[in-house]
Amino acid sequence: QQQVKQSPQSLIVQKGGISIINCAYENTAFDYFPWYQQFPGKGPALLIAIRPDVSEKKEGRFTISFNKSAKQFSLHIMDSQPGDSATYFCAASEAYNYGQNFVFGPGTRLSVLP
Amino acid sequence: GAVVSQHPSRVICKSGTSVKIECRSLDFQATTMFWYRQFPKKSLMLMATSNEGSKATYEQGVEKDKFLINHASLTLSTLTVTSAHPEDSSFYICSADLAGVYNEQFFGPGTRLTVL
Repeated sequence: QQQVKQSPQSLIVQKGGISIINCAYENTAFDYFPWYQQFPGKGPALLIAIRPDVSEKKEGRFTISFNKSAKQFSLHIMDSQPGDSATYFCAASEAYNYGQNFVFGPGTRLSVLP
Repeated sequence: GAVVSQHPSRVICKSGTSVKIECRSLDFQATTMFWYRQFPKKSLMLMATSNEGSKATYEQGVEKDKFLINHASLTLSTLTVTSAHPEDSSFYICSADLAGVYNEQFFGPGTRLTVL
């Protein structure tokens, strides 16, 4: 019940295209869903996050869509750029359970072709 | 935004030696810090949860005598890999829990450990 599934494992997109990464969770206690971006040899960086009181959150070219009933959330990268090429991890946690680790998805390797 | 640093960023050591990695929250206090290990092209593997002023909680399969964790203050946690062996070579990442309005986790830049 603690697992977060993520797909696809890898994704190749042309420059200017839309990259879509999907995640699904089972634990209904989760109420905070961040996405992290990791470049090779670097630590993950918080990209964008959503709480379940909204169905969508947009920050620049990055949008999270959230479907509470389906227990799914996704990351959309609009106008994908070669600089977006990285590994993306979704995660889930209980927002007010301080000190509890996040549950991470297995990651998606995104390659944006020039 | 919240900044977490790690030192060193890269370390090479001989087999049998011990290596200490520091994780610092630079602009906030972190009651809880987490230590991860990451293999190439893999996800983050939680090793232990470090709480300030108390003993760390280790994940199943992680040797607590091998990976010593000390969370001496609200801004510093250390991971010591004792008697390192080549199989300990990996990318070690810490994160700090920013317990503000709600639970948020910020990661350090990672430490690449190579044991010869």
